[in-house]
Amino acid sequence: AQTVTQSQPEMSVQEAETVTLSCTYDTSESNYYLFWYKQPPSRQMILVIRQEAYKQQNATENRFSVNFQKAAKSFSLKISDSQLGDTAMYFCAFMKPFSVWGGGGADGLTFGKGTHLIIQP
Amino acid sequence: EAQVTQNPRYLITVTGKKLTVTCSQNMNHEYMSWYRQDPGLGLRQIYYSMNVEVTDKGDVPEGYKVSRKEKRNFPLILESPSPNQTSLYFCASSPNRGFVEKLFFGSGTQLSVL
Repeated sequence: AQTVTQSQPEMSVQEAETVTLSCTYDTSESNYYLFWYKQPPSRQMILVIRQEAYKQQNATENRFSVNFQKAAKSFSLKISDSQLGDTAMYFCAFMKPFSVWGGGGADGLTFGKGTHLIIQP
Repeated sequence: EAQVTQNPRYLITVTGKKLTVTCSQNMNHEYMSWYRQDPGLGLRQIYYSMNVEVTDKGDVPEGYKVSRKEKRNFPLILESPSPNQTSLYFCASSPNRGFVEKLFFGSGTQLSVL
């Protein structure tokens, strides 16, 4: 079974600073997908960024970028020029390709326990 | 507007009183899923459905039932709720089983079982 570990339960930075959230995972699969989801106080789950394991290039979405280290099984999220609206829970998630999904168990989407990010004014 | 609708948003009930949390999506998605979110544990999958009449267990299915009689609806049923089922519940859907593009989440249902 896959596991996703977010080692930072909570982080706090000043507005405009850059912050990096860490995520490591454990899998025996060679191809898979990784995601970062944001959950603001409204509780809505918002996809921030995704990465396909077969792509060496790190994904980027505006101020959000990832550092994907496949050999180290690491998938960190960097938020540049942080804003007050970035205050939220952030979840790292792993998904194995559909071809290896099986019945009788989780369908391959595994979440970490989350990091509560607080942006201070 | 494309969306996943959960009802109710908040629910307080007592132990043993059967309840249903509804989930409906208007995007003709094949795949639907239920998660529960608990502090310090992240989101854990309860059940999922690949299509109509096709459902399967996730990581924490005990105490829950689901059905998928129609493509748009995927209700979560607690036949005899217990306090350890107090949690924040999310329904999610995606176009098909290869949902690498996006997983659409509902707004969540906060359930308290007394």
